[in-house]
Amino acid sequence: DQQVKQNSPSLSVQEGRISILNCDYTNSMFDYFLWYKKYPAEGPTFLISISSIKDKNEDGRFTVFLNKSAKHLSLHIVPSQPGDSAVYFCAASASGGGADGLTFGKGTHLIIQP
Amino acid sequence: DAGVIQSPRHEVTEMGQEVTLRCKPISGHDYLFWYRQTMMRGLELLIYFNNNVPIDDSGMPEDRFSAKMPNASFSTLKIQPSEPRDSAVYFCASSYMRVGSEAFFGQGTRLTVV
Repeated sequence: DQQVKQNSPSLSVQEGRISILNCDYTNSMFDYFLWYKKYPAEGPTFLISISSIKDKNEDGRFTVFLNKSAKHLSLHIVPSQPGDSAVYFCAASASGGGADGLTFGKGTHLIIQP
Repeated sequence: DAGVIQSPRHEVTEMGQEVTLRCKPISGHDYLFWYRQTMMRGLELLIYFNNNVPIDDSGMPEDRFSAKMPNASFSTLKIQPSEPRDSAVYFCASSYMRVGSEAFFGQGTRLTVV
């Protein structure tokens, strides 16, 4: 069973517009969430994170929103740039028991069109 | 620091052969993780170490897989004997905390078993 789900395998957005990537989780023990970005032939690189005590975290063009009641988080990129084209992975971890390490979604391939 | 270093970058081997993947974590990181990425299952945690000690290997697919961490600067993931279904990209990652910090990934080893 997938504990972290990214239901959109791909997303196409015009340059300059907002990109919204979604992620759902099922494990209520998760209390720390991260987004990773991955280019072809490279390892995932950390992008932004959020603790469950917050509902929003912002870093430049990137904002992550967390809705704990819905077990949903989203990553907003605005404005979208060509270099943002990559696969984005949502990941979650639990500090108090449960599985260690990060549990990843399957990723969403974001394509920024000029 | 050069980041997490994995070798080889690519490995092609025949079914039944032994395969050894190598990882050098970032100096000072206490946690080391091995992940496998496939199209079907995305990024899966195979095993992780804390201070060179294996903590959770429940993600290791079967007895053909084994991992060691003889010291803080080196880990191996071995598959013996290898099978075509083991073909995937294997990532090593390290972090200095179990939770609340991002994991840094290596560039991965693309394994092809023919």
